This record gives sequence, structure tokens and C-alpha cells, in this order.
Amino acid sequence: QVQLQESGPGLVKPSETLSLTCAVSGYSISSGYYWGWLRQPPGKGLEWIGNIYHSGSTYYNPSLESRVTISVDTSKNQLSLKLSSVTAADTAVYYCVRGGGSTGWFDPWGQGTLVTVSS
Amino acid sequence: EIVMTQSPATLSVSPGERATLSCRASQSVSSNLAWYQQKPGQAPRLLIYDASTRATGIPARFSGSGSGTEFTLIISSLQSEDFAVYYCQQYNTWPPYTFGQGTKLEIK
Repeated sequence: QVQLQESGPGLVKPSETLSLTCAVSGYSISSGYYWGWLRQPPGKGLEWIGNIYHSGSTYYNPSLESRVTISVDTSKNQLSLKLSSVTAADTAVYYCVRGGGSTGWFDPWGQGTLVTVSS
Repeated sequence: EIVMTQSPATLSVSPGERATLSCRASQSVSSNLAWYQQKPGQAPRLLIYDASTRATGIPARFSGSGSGTEFTLIISSLQSEDFAVYYCQQYNTWPPYTFGQGTKLEIK
């Protein structure tokens, strides 16, 4: 059973860089599939941030592309998200997912981690 | 970017009855559409992909239909655990993948 677990600071200051890690268990990232991140502001809908293949190929939401970097560490079986120059609008629950790319849908999802941008 | 519009925003249905949720795409997405269920404080869960294929472990009372720009999720004989928010997502034209704004299914 594939499981994903997000981790990282719950509070980030405006203009700084948000950094999250997702540990994957039950499946080797290097075996295939796309992996990625989505987010959900409190009380709002879902927004796709970006995806990465185990080879390193990345796809980002054009609305965030200038600020986002997604990477994988196959030796640790984890993926990472960095979002720079954050503002209050980046406050959200961030989810790690398997999927996207040629699959298209997202399954499974991590439990999510709330990141608040505030000074 | 393809805009996904869900209706209604809130749907009130009694347990045991049938719920019909709609999702419309701003342009054709073929059958490249998924449905998710999200309960309070939880991550979304995949219900349906390719417009009509149930994900692993999803009960048969959930069914999806449609193609092109019009899609429907039907939940027959609602159970107490089915009251949640439902989202549709297109994956025909990306980036970006886009979601509807959600339909809240509440107990009548």
C-alpha cells in the first residue's frame, strides 16, 4: 500500500521560501509514475502546483511556475517542494500525491500539511 | 486553461435517496475526468477516473458518466458516510490540471 507523508515548517514568513518534503513508502519512486503537489487554501478548492517524473522531468502550474521547484531524491524515496517569495495567499494545506502526467488523476494523497504565511 | 464548473454548490439530500452532481468543462476534455470525495479534515480521495471507472475499493453506489463537456456523478442510496464535498478534475489538457470548485453534499 502506497503511503505519502508530508513534513515541513507550519509557519513561514512573507517573502521567504516554503520548503516541504514528502516521504513515500510502499512504492519506489524510481519504479515509475508521476509524483507531485497540490494545495488547498482554508475553506477553498484544490489547486495543482506541479508534477515530477522519477527521471526528473517537471511540469508546473503556469500561475506558480516562476516560484516553484519540485525535485525527487530516489535514494531517500522522497520528493520536495520549494515555493519562493511567499505571501499570505500561499497559506494552504499542501498535499503530496502520486499521479498526473500520463495517468492524469491523483491517487493516493498524503494527509496534507498546513502552511501558514505570516510574520 | 480549462475551467471546470460544478453544480449545484450545495445539494441537500436525505439518507437513502439518490444524489446527482454535475460538472461542466469550458471545452471538451474527452473522457479525461476524475471525481474526488473530501471529508472535513481529510485529504481528497479518488472515486472515479476516466469519467466512469471506479477506483479501487469504491462502492458500486458511486457511478460516473459523461464525455466532452458534461459529466455526472451519481450516488445511489446515500449512506451517512457519503456526505462530503465532491470535486471534479480534468486531465485532458495540461498543464495545468484544473478542478471544479466543489459540490457540498449535505444531509436534508
